[in-house]
Amino acid sequence: AQSVTQLDSQVPVFEEAPVELRCNYSSSVSVYLFWYVQYPNQGLQLLLKYLSGSTLVKGINGFEAEFNKSQTSFHLRKPSVHISDTAEYFCAVSEGNFNKFYFGSGTKLNVKP
Amino acid sequence: DTEVTQTPKHLVMGMTNKKSLKCEQHMGHRAMYWYKQKAKKPPELMFVYSYEKLSINESVPSRFSPECPNSSLLNLHLHALQPEDSALYLCASSPRDGKNIQYFGAGTRLSVL
Repeated sequence: AQSVTQLDSQVPVFEEAPVELRCNYSSSVSVYLFWYVQYPNQGLQLLLKYLSGSTLVKGINGFEAEFNKSQTSFHLRKPSVHISDTAEYFCAVSEGNFNKFYFGSGTKLNVKP
Repeated sequence: DTEVTQTPKHLVMGMTNKKSLKCEQHMGHRAMYWYKQKAKKPPELMFVYSYEKLSINESVPSRFSPECPNSSLLNLHLHALQPEDSALYLCASSPRDGKNIQYFGAGTRLSVL
């Protein structure tokens, strides 16, 4: 079974500053990687995904993530955050087919004015 | 269009009530999922339906009973719930491309009194 680690439970950052949310997973078998965002009292919205090909993937709202196979990491970045980016961010790993998703514990991004 | 629709948005029920949660998607996805999410935690998988057949049951108590009447609809029947079952219940669906990209609904906020 996969293990997904989001080491930072909370990340405070000032508006317009860059941010990186870290995600590491356990298995080196072929996986698909995802970042989801959850705003208060809402469902999960797909931010971006890595399926194959280029290791740098771009998502919605100006976010991007880099897949690093040797370090089994998939860190999320944004060069300049906005107040509206305040939310919970979940990293997830899938081994494909209609199987389990493995979620990280989540990182609360708190953007301050 | 990647919309998964869940109804109702909010539900309050007593421990002796019977109620149902509904989830609908019209994207032709062939897998549908129920998750339970407690505050400040990642979603926990409850059930997976693949091609309208129950494929994964994560040892969920029998007071939760899933049903998949057709490929677009997923229900979760609730009976004799406990206060600790209060949570956000999320539905998701994924297409048959083998990569298990999951698209989530907005959830039903359930309170058990």
